[in-house]
Amino acid sequence: DTAVSQTPKYLVTQMGNDKSIKCEQNLGHDTMYWYKQDSKKFLKIMFSYNNKELIINETVPNRFSPKSPDKAHLNLHINSLELGDSAVYFCASSQEARAAYEQYFGPGTRLTVT
Amino acid sequence: GNSVTQMEGPVTLSEEAFLTINCTYTATGYPSLFWYVQYPGEGLQLLLKATKADDKGSNKGFEATYRKETTSFHLEKGSVQVSDSAVYFCALKGSSNTGKLIFGQGTTLQVKP
Repeated sequence: DTAVSQTPKYLVTQMGNDKSIKCEQNLGHDTMYWYKQDSKKFLKIMFSYNNKELIINETVPNRFSPKSPDKAHLNLHINSLELGDSAVYFCASSQEARAAYEQYFGPGTRLTVT
Repeated sequence: GNSVTQMEGPVTLSEEAFLTINCTYTATGYPSLFWYVQYPGEGLQLLLKATKADDKGSNKGFEATYRKETTSFHLEKGSVQVSDSAVYFCALKGSSNTGKLIFGQGTTLQVKP
C-alpha cells in the first residue's frame, strides 16, 4: 500500500496554462506539506496544512493555491504557469506538526513548463 | 534565521570505503536534526534523526551525532555499498509548531564497484 501518493507523476504543459497536482496519504496523519525541488536538487517548503488548516505559507507566488478537502488530501493548483515553475513537487505528511515526527514523502511530480 | 549547510558533492567512493558527509547548522533554540536519503527517481526517506544534543541517530549502518558545541550532524558509514548511491539531505526542524523542515543543498553520493 502506498503511504503518500501523488498524481500525476509527470506533467508537461505550456506557459499560461492552469494545472493541478493531487496528493493523498493513507497514514492517518494530521499534517501535510508541499515542497518544491529545483533542478539543483534544492528542496524548499511551500505550504503546510494541519487538520485542513493552513499553517505554513512560505513566500510563494499567489498563482499557487493549496486546497485540503479533508485530512487525507492536499492538492496544489497552479494558475498561469511560468517557465520557472518547472521543478519536482513533493507532497509529504507527518503525524503532527509539533514534535520531530518523520515526514513521509510521495514519489514526486515532475512538472515541465514549455 | 535557521539554515543548514552540507558539503558540496558529488562524492565518489569505491565500495567498502568509509563515508563522511559534513553537515553544519545555524538555529535558535533546540532544533531536531535529520538525514533524509533520495534514491534516483524517488521521494525522500528518513534515514535517521536526533532530537537533542549528544544523541546519536543510526540506521542501516549510517550514524550521525548531534553536536551542539560544533553545531554539526555529520553522516558516517563504515563501509559503503553500491546500493547506497543516492542524494543525502541534512535537515533541521526548529522549535516552531509548524513541522517546517529546512534542508541543506543535498550531497550526491556515487559508489563504484
